[in-house]
Amino acid sequence: SQTIHQWPATLVQPVGSPLSLECTVEGTSNPNLYWYRQAAGRGLQLLFYSVGIGQISSEVPQNLSASRPQDRQFILSSKKLLLSDSGFYLCAWSQGYNQPQHFGDGTRLSIL
Amino acid sequence: GEDVEQSLFLSVREGDSSVINCTYTDSSSTYLYWYKQEPGAGLQLLTYIFSNMDMKQDQRLTVLLNKKDKHLSLRIADTQTGDSAIYFCAESMDGGATNKLIFGTGTLLAVQP
Repeated sequence: SQTIHQWPATLVQPVGSPLSLECTVEGTSNPNLYWYRQAAGRGLQLLFYSVGIGQISSEVPQNLSASRPQDRQFILSSKKLLLSDSGFYLCAWSQGYNQPQHFGDGTRLSIL
Repeated sequence: GEDVEQSLFLSVREGDSSVINCTYTDSSSTYLYWYKQEPGAGLQLLTYIFSNMDMKQDQRLTVLLNKKDKHLSLRIADTQTGDSAIYFCAESMDGGATNKLIFGTGTLLAVQP
């Protein structure tokens, strides 16, 4: 069966520091991968998605970037964190177009 | 525009049925989803319905879809305290290379013992 892993589970970072969040999927190949942010107020916002290695689509202009160095690895990064980057970051995968998305357990990011 | 709306809060007593409602705007959505989020956790896919269906039942869960009114509901029969969580509906929209999910803001379900 397929599983998705995100780490770290929680992270506290100072303003201006770099960020790297990692997500890996097991038990499938060539998945679509997604990064979401859930801010206070509970809504989820799609940040990035990827349909293949090295293919990244950005949904909103922001201080973050994403990379997919391997088929089942998706990384969310920032060179310099802002206070507004605080939130709950969720990675998800799907088998393909119009297939359900399955979420990881999330990373809670607090910026001080 | 893309907008999915849900009521923010629902309180029920254990053993009663819960009905969580959702309205969406894009009539071309192909799939509609229900996810459950427990405190501090990720989203768990509960069920989904294809847009050419009116109803889908899965054990204690019943999904009703009214395409004319763009209204989706999730009924949980015999609600238990373990059902307390935030429930999100989401519509699937064509995003070119992939489909995108547009989420509602979630409904907090509180189950009273």
